[in-house]
Amino acid sequence: QSVLTQPPSVSGAPGQRVTISCTGSSSNIGAGYDVHWYQQLPGTAPKLLIYGNTNRPSGVPDRFSASKSGTSASLAITGLQAEDEADYYCQSYDSSLSALYVFGTGTKVTVL
Amino acid sequence: QVQLVESGGGVVQPGRSLRLACAASGFTFSRYPMHWVRQALGKGLHWVAVILSDERNKDYADSVKGRFTISRDNSKNTVYLQMNSLRTEDTAMYYCAKGYGDYDLFFDYWGQGALVTVSS
Repeated sequence: QSVLTQPPSVSGAPGQRVTISCTGSSSNIGAGYDVHWYQQLPGTAPKLLIYGNTNRPSGVPDRFSASKSGTSASLAITGLQAEDEADYYCQSYDSSLSALYVFGTGTKVTVL
Repeated sequence: QVQLVESGGGVVQPGRSLRLACAASGFTFSRYPMHWVRQALGKGLHWVAVILSDERNKDYADSVKGRFTISRDNSKNTVYLQMNSLRTEDTAMYYCAKGYGDYDLFFDYWGQGALVTVSS
């Protein structure tokens, strides 16, 4: 079961800004564990997009940004492009559940 | 560059066993934790197991504990997932993922996946 909640879908026109929320609890995000984000293009493996709440790996465009506050985190995509259409997952660590590394429920981003 | 290549997937009957392998290259394999993450068709990601760089420390999701075993062979740069007593709900794409570090709790590279189908 996923313990981090994300909206099932968000959409925007090219050039617009979209945000994806990731809501956890006091045993994961709220406990101070970092949040990380992955992008999964259709038919491919996930790819690390953001690590340590706000950091972009080399090669990830700066139109992707993220933040964390309390028991939640969010991912923002500014200047939305067609190639950003994908599924996005947040991920953290949970000290209390049946799976230590927990993922969000996933959000499908559609570029209109 | 980092490459992770899974193998060993296939169709298996409930109750039977299967072993997945993930061959790694492009980094010093022995220094990093390795994970397995699975994804049922059309569903989300679920972490399955981790083995730390010391080869001894391992952990599992409760859903597979006692049935799956993760291991690694640092001389072959390969991590394995032995899956016993398979159930239909284990049907998924299984991804091998490299951990950023033993105490950095995320995955910086992923393989392309191995499909496991459990069906009679």
